[in-house]
Amino acid sequence: KNEVEQSPQNLTAQEGEFITINCSYSVGISALHWLQQHPGGGIVSLFMLSSGKKKHGRLIATINIQEKHSSLHITASHPRDSAVYICAVAYGNKLVFGAGTILRVKS
Amino acid sequence: NAGVTQTPKFQVLKTGQSMTLQCAQDMNHEYMSWYRQDPGMGLRLIHYSVGAGITDQGEVPNGYNVSRSTTEDFPLRLLSAAPSQTSVYFCASSYGPGALGYTFGSGTRLTVV
Repeated sequence: KNEVEQSPQNLTAQEGEFITINCSYSVGISALHWLQQHPGGGIVSLFMLSSGKKKHGRLIATINIQEKHSSLHITASHPRDSAVYICAVAYGNKLVFGAGTILRVKS
Repeated sequence: NAGVTQTPKFQVLKTGQSMTLQCAQDMNHEYMSWYRQDPGMGLRLIHYSVGAGITDQGEVPNGYNVSRSTTEDFPLRLLSAAPSQTSVYFCASSYGPGALGYTFGSGTRLTVV
């Protein structure tokens, strides 16, 4: 069974700050997803990673396969970034999810 | 609009009642899955399907049934609702669990009284 740990569980930041959310997993995977869930409840896929680094706007995601670790970075954070960020790992035919990081960005 | 359509958005059931949550996608995705989301816990996989006619159990399958007669549809049936099944349910589809374009439905908030 793959265990997925996210940290921190809760994060409050001031607008403009650089934010890092971490995800660790215990078993080899085929891919890792970063998802965003807004207060309204909808879930959106941000990134899918199998190696290296991806960037989309102010969001950057990295993965280190050897260390079984991934990070999601938000540069120049904004109140609209406030959401729950979820890490999910794909192994076999299944996705296993972390518990999520609740991010609040204050103006 | 292309995507995953999940119905209903809200439902209240009495203990022992049965119901079906509907999920349909129009992206020709082979992989479809159902999750439940409970406070303080991550999304947990209930059942999944890798194509029409093929389904398998996830982490928390007890009390739920699925079928996949077409590529587009993947309904989730609650056989005899229990208060422990009060949760938010999400359907999702993609070309595979490790593939790009993982798309979630908008969720169903189910309360069992």
